[in-house]
Amino acid sequence: EVQLVESGGGLVKPGGSLRLSCAASGLIFNNAWLSWVRQAPGKGLEWVGRIKNKVDGGTTEYAAPVKGRFTISRDDSKNKVYLQMNSLKAEDTAVYYCTTVRSTIHFDNWGQGTLVTVSS
Amino acid sequence: SSVLTQPPSVSVAPGQTARITCGGNIIGSEGVHWYQQRPGQAPVVVVYYDSDRPSGISERFSGSKSGNTATLTISRVEAGDEADYYCQVWDSGSDHPYVFGTGTKVTVL
Repeated sequence: EVQLVESGGGLVKPGGSLRLSCAASGLIFNNAWLSWVRQAPGKGLEWVGRIKNKVDGGTTEYAAPVKGRFTISRDDSKNKVYLQMNSLKAEDTAVYYCTTVRSTIHFDNWGQGTLVTVSS
Repeated sequence: SSVLTQPPSVSVAPGQTARITCGGNIIGSEGVHWYQQRPGQAPVVVVYYDSDRPSGISERFSGSKSGNTATLTISRVEAGDEADYYCQVWDSGSDHPYVFGTGTKVTVL
């Protein structure tokens, strides 16, 4: 069974930084494409970004609202993916979910999420 | 980028059938995936590629598509089906490739 466990959320001031981690188990991590999806309080789901596996280039893509501020990376030796969030804004307040990406196009496993609150 | 429109809410009595629609221009050319999100929980995929069901998902959940509208059907609705449901497509031609619908709250009366 695939398990994804996020950590690193918390309260941060506007303009601050935070790094989220996602530990994966139950899958061949090296082969996985991974993504982050967020959900603002009371709102819908919003894709944040994705990282491919090394064989497919290890490249990243980001949604426009976070491009240039957020960075996704992975450590295949630790079965972990990270989301580095800089220059945080109030509108980044959300639960952040780590997901696996199946066949490029949909999200087949989700973590339980970690809450990020950006507030002064 | 693409927009996927869902009705904000659907109400259904136990044992009846709930139908949730997802409309958008891209639907006719891309596979549609559906997620269930129970209160306080992470989303779970219940249908992918328009009509396929992951292992472990009840056969009461089914998907279909016609033109630019996709439909998630929940048969013989149970109290545990009360949740938010989101459609999603992959827009290969966009710099925002993963698009979610606006979400539908299913209430079991």
